[in-house]
Amino acid sequence: AQTVTQSQPEMSVQEAETVTLSCTYDTSESDYYLFWYKQPPSRQMILVIRQEAYKQQNATENRFSVNFQKAAKSFSLKISDSQLGDAAMYFCAYRTGSQGNLIFGKGTKLSVKP
Amino acid sequence: ETGVTQTPRHLVMGMTNKKSLKCEQHLGHNAMYWYKQSAKKPLELMFVYNFKEQTENNSVPSRFSPECPNSSHLFLHLHTLQPEDSALYLCASSQELGVYTEAFFGQGTRLTVV
Repeated sequence: AQTVTQSQPEMSVQEAETVTLSCTYDTSESDYYLFWYKQPPSRQMILVIRQEAYKQQNATENRFSVNFQKAAKSFSLKISDSQLGDAAMYFCAYRTGSQGNLIFGKGTKLSVKP
Repeated sequence: ETGVTQTPRHLVMGMTNKKSLKCEQHLGHNAMYWYKQSAKKPLELMFVYNFKEQTENNSVPSRFSPECPNSSHLFLHLHTLQPEDSALYLCASSQELGVYTEAFFGQGTRLTVV
Protein backbone atom coordinates (compact mmCIF):
# COMPACT_ATOMS: atom_id res chain seq x y z
CA ALA A 1 0.00 0.00 0.00
CA GLN A 2 1.12 3.50 -0.71
CA THR A 3 1.52 5.54 2.47
CA VAL A 4 2.83 8.94 3.48
CA THR A 5 4.20 9.44 7.00
CA GLN A 6 4.72 12.73 8.75
CA SER A 7 6.33 11.90 12.08
CA GLN A 8 6.02 15.39 13.62
CA PRO A 9 2.44 16.22 14.66
CA GLU A 10 3.55 19.69 15.78
CA MET A 11 6.57 21.91 15.26
CA SER A 12 7.49 25.36 16.46
CA VAL A 13 9.95 27.91 15.06
CA GLN A 14 11.07 31.38 16.00
CA GLU A 15 10.34 34.10 13.49
CA ALA A 16 13.22 34.54 10.99
CA GLU A 17 14.64 31.12 11.89
CA THR A 18 14.71 27.96 9.76
CA VAL A 19 12.59 24.86 10.30
CA THR A 20 12.49 21.47 8.58
CA LEU A 21 9.38 19.31 8.35
CA SER A 22 9.84 15.59 7.75
CA CYS A 23 8.03 13.30 5.35
CA THR A 24 8.62 9.74 4.28
CA TYR A 25 6.63 7.68 1.83
CA ASP A 26 6.33 4.12 0.75
CA THR A 27 5.83 3.10 -2.84
CA SER A 28 6.88 0.58 -5.42
CA GLU A 29 6.22 3.00 -8.28
CA SER A 30 9.11 4.59 -10.17
CA ASP A 31 7.16 7.51 -11.61
CA TYR A 32 5.49 9.80 -9.11
CA TYR A 33 5.13 13.35 -7.91
CA LEU A 34 5.60 14.73 -4.40
CA PHE A 35 3.94 17.80 -2.95
CA TRP A 36 3.85 19.95 0.14
CA TYR A 37 0.54 21.66 0.79
CA LYS A 38 -0.17 24.36 3.38
CA GLN A 39 -3.56 24.65 5.07
CA PRO A 40 -3.97 27.87 7.09
CA PRO A 41 -6.95 28.46 9.41
CA SER A 42 -8.93 29.60 6.35
CA ARG A 43 -8.89 25.87 5.40
CA GLN A 44 -7.78 26.53 1.82
CA MET A 45 -5.25 23.89 0.82
CA ILE A 46 -2.47 25.75 -0.98
CA LEU A 47 0.34 24.15 -2.94
CA VAL A 48 3.73 25.18 -1.53
CA ILE A 49 6.19 23.17 -3.60
CA ARG A 50 6.38 20.05 -5.77
CA GLN A 51 9.03 17.61 -6.90
CA GLU A 52 9.05 15.19 -9.80
CA ALA A 53 10.55 11.85 -8.81
CA TYR A 54 12.73 11.65 -11.91
CA LYS A 55 14.44 14.95 -11.11
CA GLN A 56 17.49 14.72 -8.89
CA GLN A 57 17.70 18.45 -8.26
CA ASN A 58 15.81 19.59 -5.20
CA ALA A 59 12.93 21.97 -5.87
CA THR A 60 12.98 25.48 -4.42
CA GLU A 61 10.32 28.20 -4.23
CA ASN A 62 11.61 31.37 -2.62
CA ARG A 63 11.97 30.58 1.12
CA PHE A 64 10.76 26.99 0.66
CA SER A 65 13.01 24.16 -0.44
CA VAL A 66 12.93 20.39 -0.27
CA ASN A 67 15.47 17.70 0.46
CA PHE A 68 14.45 14.82 -1.78
CA GLN A 69 16.20 11.54 -1.05
CA LYS A 70 14.70 9.05 -3.49
CA ALA A 71 16.53 5.97 -2.26
CA ALA A 72 15.51 6.72 1.31
CA LYS A 73 11.97 7.72 0.19
CA SER A 74 12.30 10.94 2.12
CA PHE A 75 10.92 14.35 1.17
CA SER A 76 11.48 17.03 3.81
CA LEU A 77 10.46 20.68 3.58
CA LYS A 78 12.74 23.46 4.74
CA ILE A 79 11.29 26.88 5.48
CA SER A 80 13.90 29.62 5.76
CA ASP A 81 13.41 33.04 7.35
CA SER A 82 10.11 31.88 8.87
CA GLN A 83 7.30 34.42 8.93
CA LEU A 84 4.18 34.64 11.08
CA GLY A 85 2.11 33.91 7.98
CA ASP A 86 3.80 30.53 7.64
CA ALA A 87 1.86 29.23 10.65
CA ALA A 88 -0.43 26.51 9.32
CA MET A 89 -0.90 22.79 8.90
CA TYR A 90 1.53 21.36 6.38
CA PHE A 91 0.67 18.22 4.46
CA CYS A 92 3.02 16.05 2.48
CA ALA A 93 1.36 14.30 -0.45
CA TYR A 94 2.26 11.78 -3.11
CA ARG A 95 0.74 11.14 -6.50
CA THR A 96 1.30 8.27 -8.90
CA GLY A 97 0.58 7.91 -12.56
CA SER A 98 -1.47 4.75 -12.25
CA GLN A 99 -4.53 6.50 -10.85
CA GLY A 100 -3.40 10.04 -10.29
CA ASN A 101 -4.84 10.15 -6.79
CA LEU A 102 -3.19 12.25 -4.11
CA ILE A 103 -2.20 10.34 -0.97
CA PHE A 104 -1.73 12.61 2.05
CA GLY A 105 0.11 12.37 5.34
CA LYS A 106 -1.56 13.31 8.63
CA GLY A 107 0.01 16.74 8.63
CA THR A 108 2.34 18.80 10.81
CA LYS A 109 1.04 21.83 12.67
CA LEU A 110 3.62 24.60 12.45
CA SER A 111 3.60 27.46 14.94
CA VAL A 112 5.73 30.57 14.41
CA LYS A 113 6.74 32.54 17.50
CA PRO A 114 7.30 36.28 17.21
CA GLU B 1 -8.50 32.17 -4.19
CA THR B 2 -7.73 29.05 -6.22
CA GLY B 3 -10.68 29.05 -8.60
CA VAL B 4 -12.51 26.26 -6.76
CA THR B 5 -15.56 27.39 -4.81
CA GLN B 6 -17.46 25.29 -2.30
CA THR B 7 -20.84 26.04 -0.75
CA PRO B 8 -21.96 26.14 1.94
CA ARG B 9 -18.93 26.87 4.11
CA HIS B 10 -20.66 25.44 7.17
CA LEU B 11 -23.51 22.96 7.47
CA VAL B 12 -25.26 21.48 10.48
CA MET B 13 -27.72 18.70 9.76
CA GLY B 14 -29.71 16.11 11.64
CA MET B 15 -29.28 12.43 10.97
CA THR B 16 -32.59 12.26 9.11
CA ASN B 17 -31.97 15.29 6.89
CA LYS B 18 -31.03 15.39 3.23
CA LYS B 19 -28.57 18.04 2.12
CA SER B 20 -26.13 18.66 -0.71
CA LEU B 21 -22.65 20.10 -0.94
CA LYS B 22 -21.70 22.01 -4.06
CA CYS B 23 -18.35 22.52 -5.73
CA GLU B 24 -17.68 24.69 -8.75
CA GLN B 25 -14.45 25.29 -10.62
CA HIS B 26 -13.72 27.94 -13.24
CA LEU B 27 -10.35 26.60 -14.27
CA GLY B 28 -11.37 24.52 -17.25
CA HIS B 29 -10.27 21.36 -15.49
CA ASN B 30 -11.52 17.90 -16.45
CA ALA B 31 -11.01 16.02 -13.20
CA MET B 32 -12.76 16.69 -9.89
CA TYR B 33 -12.43 15.07 -6.48
CA TRP B 34 -14.13 14.85 -3.08
CA TYR B 35 -11.95 14.42 -0.01
CA LYS B 36 -12.92 13.97 3.64
CA GLN B 37 -10.70 15.57 6.28
CA SER B 38 -11.23 14.34 9.84
CA ALA B 39 -9.24 15.36 12.90
CA LYS B 40 -6.02 13.40 13.46
CA LYS B 41 -6.41 11.49 10.18
CA PRO B 42 -4.96 11.94 6.68
CA LEU B 43 -7.21 13.33 3.99
CA GLU B 44 -9.30 10.50 2.61
CA LEU B 45 -10.14 10.39 -1.07
CA MET B 46 -13.85 9.68 -1.56
CA PHE B 47 -14.68 10.05 -5.24
CA VAL B 48 -12.96 10.95 -8.49
CA TYR B 49 -14.62 12.16 -11.66
CA ASN B 50 -12.92 12.57 -15.02
CA PHE B 51 -14.83 14.17 -17.89
CA LYS B 52 -18.04 13.77 -15.83
CA GLU B 53 -17.52 10.04 -15.41
CA GLN B 54 -16.86 8.53 -12.01
CA THR B 55 -13.50 6.78 -12.07
CA GLU B 56 -13.12 6.00 -8.39
CA ASN B 57 -15.34 5.27 -5.43
CA ASN B 58 -13.09 4.66 -2.45
CA SER B 59 -15.49 2.31 -0.61
CA VAL B 60 -17.65 5.23 0.46
CA PRO B 61 -20.98 4.38 2.19
CA SER B 62 -24.07 4.83 0.03
CA ARG B 63 -25.36 7.62 2.28
CA PHE B 64 -22.89 9.77 0.31
CA SER B 65 -24.00 10.14 -3.30
CA PRO B 66 -21.90 12.18 -5.76
CA GLU B 67 -23.14 13.85 -8.89
CA CYS B 68 -21.16 15.48 -11.68
CA PRO B 69 -23.51 17.08 -14.24
CA ASN B 70 -20.63 18.70 -16.13
CA SER B 71 -16.88 19.19 -15.79
CA SER B 72 -17.31 22.42 -13.84
CA HIS B 73 -19.70 21.24 -11.14
CA LEU B 74 -19.57 18.50 -8.56
CA PHE B 75 -22.15 17.75 -5.88
CA LEU B 76 -22.16 15.51 -2.85
CA HIS B 77 -25.65 14.51 -1.79
CA LEU B 78 -26.00 13.54 1.86
CA HIS B 79 -28.76 11.55 3.53
CA THR B 80 -29.19 9.71 6.84
CA LEU B 81 -25.69 10.59 7.96
CA GLN B 82 -24.08 9.52 11.21
CA PRO B 83 -22.29 11.74 13.78
CA GLU B 84 -18.96 10.19 12.72
CA ASP B 85 -19.50 11.72 9.28
CA SER B 86 -18.85 15.14 10.80
CA ALA B 87 -15.73 16.45 9.08
CA LEU B 88 -14.35 18.98 6.62
CA TYR B 89 -15.26 18.00 3.06
CA LEU B 90 -12.85 19.30 0.47
CA CYS B 91 -13.37 19.50 -3.25
CA ALA B 92 -10.44 19.65 -5.66
CA SER B 93 -9.91 19.79 -9.39
CA SER B 94 -7.03 19.18 -11.77
CA GLN B 95 -6.50 19.55 -15.49
CA GLU B 96 -6.40 15.79 -15.88
CA LEU B 97 -5.81 12.62 -13.91
CA GLY B 98 -2.15 12.33 -14.83
CA VAL B 99 0.61 12.23 -12.26
CA TYR B 100 2.14 15.60 -13.11
CA THR B 101 -0.99 17.68 -12.77
CA GLU B 102 -1.52 20.00 -9.83
CA ALA B 103 -4.69 19.75 -7.76
CA PHE B 104 -6.44 22.94 -6.69
CA PHE B 105 -8.60 22.83 -3.59
CA GLY B 106 -11.65 24.69 -2.40
CA GLN B 107 -12.03 26.02 1.14
CA GLY B 108 -14.17 23.12 2.19
CA THR B 109 -17.52 22.62 3.85
CA ARG B 110 -17.43 22.07 7.60
CA LEU B 111 -20.17 19.49 8.20
CA THR B 112 -21.59 18.75 11.63
CA VAL B 113 -24.09 15.90 12.00
CA VAL B 114 -26.22 16.12 15.14
